[in-house]
Amino acid sequence: QVQLVESGGGVVQPGGSLRLSCAASGFTFKNFNMHWVRQAPGKGLEWVTFISYNGNSKFYADSVKGRFTASRDNSRNTLHLQLNSLRAEDTGIYYCAKDSGKDQYCLDCWGQGALVSVSS
Amino acid sequence: QSALTQPPSASGSPGQSVTISCTGTSSDVGSYNYVSWYQQHPGKAPKLIIYEVIKRPSGIPDRFSGSKSGYTASLTVSGLQAEDEADYYCNSYASSNIWVFGGGTKLTVL
Repeated sequence: QVQLVESGGGVVQPGGSLRLSCAASGFTFKNFNMHWVRQAPGKGLEWVTFISYNGNSKFYADSVKGRFTASRDNSRNTLHLQLNSLRAEDTGIYYCAKDSGKDQYCLDCWGQGALVSVSS
Repeated sequence: QSALTQPPSASGSPGQSVTISCTGTSSDVGSYNYVSWYQQHPGKAPKLIIYEVIKRPSGIPDRFSGSKSGYTASLTVSGLQAEDEADYYCNSYASSNIWVFGGGTKLTVL
């Protein structure tokens, strides 16, 4: 079955950096686009970024553009999110999610999330 | 990149039906039939329950249905059950290659 496992979360000071990873299994990772979605404590979901199956296309929410970078290693079935210049408002759970493909534009499988806390 | 508009709460008694609305703009819901809905129980990851406005993934009960009219999409939960109590989020693909979520609706089964 499809499994997505995030790692790399933690506590970081404002202005600091963090790298999240998402290990994928149970499907042919290199064939699917992927997303990151975050959720601030007690708040709703916020789409963060999309990365195409081959890593050549990336799109970002305005709130993270220029600070966050998505990447993937298809040889290791792993997705990454580099978080730089972190702010308090970046605190939350970060989910990686698999795009359904077939031009359906939805997120059909989600990991359990990695907690990022930005605090001095 | 404004969030889609959802009511913060909805409720119904077991066996009843409840509908949750999701209002967007001409840049998202109004232009694309790529509206999806996600169910999230406390402390859990979101789960896809509706995609492409009206379609249900395998394993999702037909008590869940979706629709769209103009700039507003809707999720209807029929025959409410206790386990339907959760947060529900709509999402739409939008112009400029972004995805936008609604603010979420907390569904309470009375």
